[in-house]
Amino acid sequence: AQTVTQSQPEMSVQEAETVTLSCTYDTSENNYYLFWYKQPPSRQMILVIRQEAYKQQNATENRFSVNFQKAAKSFSLKISDSQLGDTAMYFCAFPTHGSGNTGKLIFGQGTTLQVKP
Amino acid sequence: NAGVMQNPRHLVRRRGQEARLRCSPMKGHSHVYWYRQLPEEGLKFMVYLQKENIIDESGMPKERFSAEFPKEGPSILRIQQVVRGDSAAYFCASSPVTGTGLVNTEAFFGQGTRLTVV
Repeated sequence: AQTVTQSQPEMSVQEAETVTLSCTYDTSENNYYLFWYKQPPSRQMILVIRQEAYKQQNATENRFSVNFQKAAKSFSLKISDSQLGDTAMYFCAFPTHGSGNTGKLIFGQGTTLQVKP
Repeated sequence: NAGVMQNPRHLVRRRGQEARLRCSPMKGHSHVYWYRQLPEEGLKFMVYLQKENIIDESGMPKERFSAEFPKEGPSILRIQQVVRGDSAAYFCASSPVTGTGLVNTEAFFGQGTRLTVV
């Protein structure tokens, strides 16, 4: 069965510092996407970053980057220069059909990140 | 280009009533997904629809829940005879394509409907 696990229910970081959120997954697929979504108090699900499994290069979006270890099935999110607006719940997500349908997702349990001033 | 629109944002129903949640996908998107989020949990897939077709309802409870995506109009998630355990946030997402092979796309989410059963 495909699973996504986030082992850190809560984390905190000082403003301007760096924090890493962990995610592991299990799949038998070879080509697939992995996603990190952010859910602020407004509840809107916002895509933060996307990684394509066939790409060895780690994805980067401004202050957000991933450490993708395909063999270890690990997909961590690093937030650099943390800002107060980064305070949110973060979800790691994986399409249940690997690459064929990126709308049907399995979500991890989420990590609540608090950025402190 | 408007995003995924869900309404209402908040819905209060008494036990035994019916709840209807609406979702209008992004323009050009013909695939809709419904998710449920219980407090302090991640989103759980419920159902995947294309126009006039239910493609995958493996996450839908067997009773009281139904979904449709008609040729015209929004997708509707319907919960009959609601119970307190149905209280949750319900999210809709849409995507433009599906199929085999790697596709460079993502699912776009609406802001959700928070259902409270009293």
